[in-house]
Amino acid sequence: DAGVIQSPRHEVTEMGQEVTLRCKLISGHNSLFWYRQTMMRGLELLIYFNNNVPIDDSGMPEDRFSAKMPNASFSTLKIQPSEPRDSAVYFCASSLAGGDTQYFGPGTRLTVL
Amino acid sequence: DAKTTQPPSMDCAEGRAANLPCNHSTISGNEYVYWYRQIHSQGPQYIIHGLKNNETNEMASLIITEDRKSSTLILPHATLRDTAVYYCIVRPRVRSNDYKLSFGAGTTVTVRA
Repeated sequence: DAGVIQSPRHEVTEMGQEVTLRCKLISGHNSLFWYRQTMMRGLELLIYFNNNVPIDDSGMPEDRFSAKMPNASFSTLKIQPSEPRDSAVYFCASSLAGGDTQYFGPGTRLTVL
Repeated sequence: DAKTTQPPSMDCAEGRAANLPCNHSTISGNEYVYWYRQIHSQGPQYIIHGLKNNETNEMASLIITEDRKSSTLILPHATLRDTAVYYCIVRPRVRSNDYKLSFGAGTTVTVRA
């Protein structure tokens, strides 16, 4: 029974480059969450989708960040252009519905040089 | 606005029970107590949740006081692989818009051989 799948697991890029992080939800789940974790700020919610629709994007840092759900089982988080301060671990999580238990993926560790 | 209070750290011996306390004195009637843990370099892992009755699963037991103002997560036979940061979170679990999951600082649990 596959959990949440994220790719890549590690990404190293240079400032100014575009970065795309990918997430596959647990089958049957209709809610998707993107989080970012840093030592300074802990785990922060970036955006929440329900049934492919963005419900809350108040945590998205700025216009350089965008997230999409092209279908019910897949999501991308894009940073363009990337900056060193974007270096963090990015997690996605899914749940059956918005208020249900969230299950997290293994994360993508992003380093922007 | 912290809704839970946990000790910053605790040690326990391998093979012994680990009892992790959490205070949530302002918990509302519709709020559940959730526990997650995060092992180093991994995503947060759901452990257990409860409303007012004690709960047990293959990972742990959750004991909630009668007044619901505090709870204890019990790992019955701690192993070295249980070394992690443990998060106690209170949240409603009723509607799709009750999706917020606020991770505090948690308790760093170190299991020693």
